[in-house]
Amino acid sequence: GDSVTQMEGPVTLSEEAFLTINCTYTATGYPSLFWYVQYPGEGLQLLLKATKADDKGSNKGFEATYRKETTSFHLEKGSVQVSDSAVYFCALIRGSQGNLIFGKGTKLSVKP
Amino acid sequence: GAVVSQHPSWVICKSGTSVKIECRSLDFQATTMFWYRQFPKQSLMLMATSNEGSKATYEQGVEKDKFLINHASLTLSTLTVTSAHPEDSSFYICSAAPGQGDTQYFGPGTRLTVL
Repeated sequence: GDSVTQMEGPVTLSEEAFLTINCTYTATGYPSLFWYVQYPGEGLQLLLKATKADDKGSNKGFEATYRKETTSFHLEKGSVQVSDSAVYFCALIRGSQGNLIFGKGTKLSVKP
Repeated sequence: GAVVSQHPSWVICKSGTSVKIECRSLDFQATTMFWYRQFPKQSLMLMATSNEGSKATYEQGVEKDKFLINHASLTLSTLTVTSAHPEDSSFYICSAAPGQGDTQYFGPGTRLTVL
């Protein structure tokens, strides 16, 4: 069945460091791909998405490119801030109902 | 915009009792609502999908008689955990979408602890 695998956390970085969180997927066809972020004490928020191969989603300095050849959707940011500390979830969408399949989440902690 | 609330944010109950969790879309009408369960350090697992006015569709392995879902209006869905047991203790999260296949907006979650 469809699945999402993302790198294990936690990830601890210093402010202004470069961030990469790896995400790969297994799916039939070419599903839309998402990154969600969950800040402490809050619900999941959509960070960015890509709906077809080679699409690049971007938001708040974060980027991810839909790579069908490697079935990947890695999240990157050039310079992280303390306020980026959160749990990040990679996900794909399945079926006409729009069911989301999530990765396990990666906790990011950014130190000043 | 696109705010989803859940109530309560946390609940502790005795084994054998039932607990109801509400999920509300505050500023949009949600044709479809989803219920997820999240175990510590694990991913969100979809439990069921509900469309307003119709029966929920449960994922394989989820007991529909134990986890009752009602999507009675376009802004409210409820999850009732019946005859709760300690193994039902978990973090329950709902999401809502304006239409099928639309972006889902998530609630903050409800922490259930069954003693």
